[in-house]
Amino acid sequence: NAGVTQTPKFQVLKTGQSMTLQCAQDMNHNSMYWYRQDPGMGLRLIYYSASEGTTDKGEVPNGYNVSRLNKREFSLRLESAAPSQTSVYFCAGGTPGNQPQHFGDGTRLSIL
Amino acid sequence: GENVEQHPSTLSVQEGDSAVIKCTYSDSASNYFPWYKQELGKRPQLIIDIRSNVGEKKDQRIAVTLNKTAKHFSLHITETQPEDSAVYFCAASGGTYKYIFGTGTRLKVLA
Repeated sequence: NAGVTQTPKFQVLKTGQSMTLQCAQDMNHNSMYWYRQDPGMGLRLIYYSASEGTTDKGEVPNGYNVSRLNKREFSLRLESAAPSQTSVYFCAGGTPGNQPQHFGDGTRLSIL
Repeated sequence: GENVEQHPSTLSVQEGDSAVIKCTYSDSASNYFPWYKQELGKRPQLIIDIRSNVGEKKDQRIAVTLNKTAKHFSLHITETQPEDSAVYFCAASGGTYKYIFGTGTRLKVLA
């Protein structure tokens, strides 16, 4: 039982490159989330998926896209990376109003 | 919109003393309140949670209290130890599909 698994753990990109961050959960959560956390800061919601087949913008969606591939998987894509997107990205699964979120270990992304 | 205010932003206590972190939420439909601990370089991990039909919950040295009328909930850590040093986040959930997080409290336990 792995919980929430994120890949990759670390990545360095050049400005303008694209990449997809992968997230998979085996906890049967209906809802999944992507956050970014900048140094010394709190968690900011990028996008979330309330259930399979739906996605919604969070607090800071600009420059990102998401895909809820199935109940288990929720990916985050940077189409044209910018230095301002350097951050730690956390994926989480949860059942809002009833259970806590479970977070992955994070992806540390640096954009040069 | 939904909002959770968390205070203080930093808290230093002597080892063995108690620490209290307070949160206030805005969405009256919130009915579930988890607390997370995040150590440096690690993911946030749940330490305790409380549901709206309960006023207080305790787990060893950690307790959470909830006042639904005032929309306040608090984390209490007794007999603090150096390993309690971390960033603590409160959250509120239930009104929407989102979890609304506080801005975090950096707790330092001084040996």
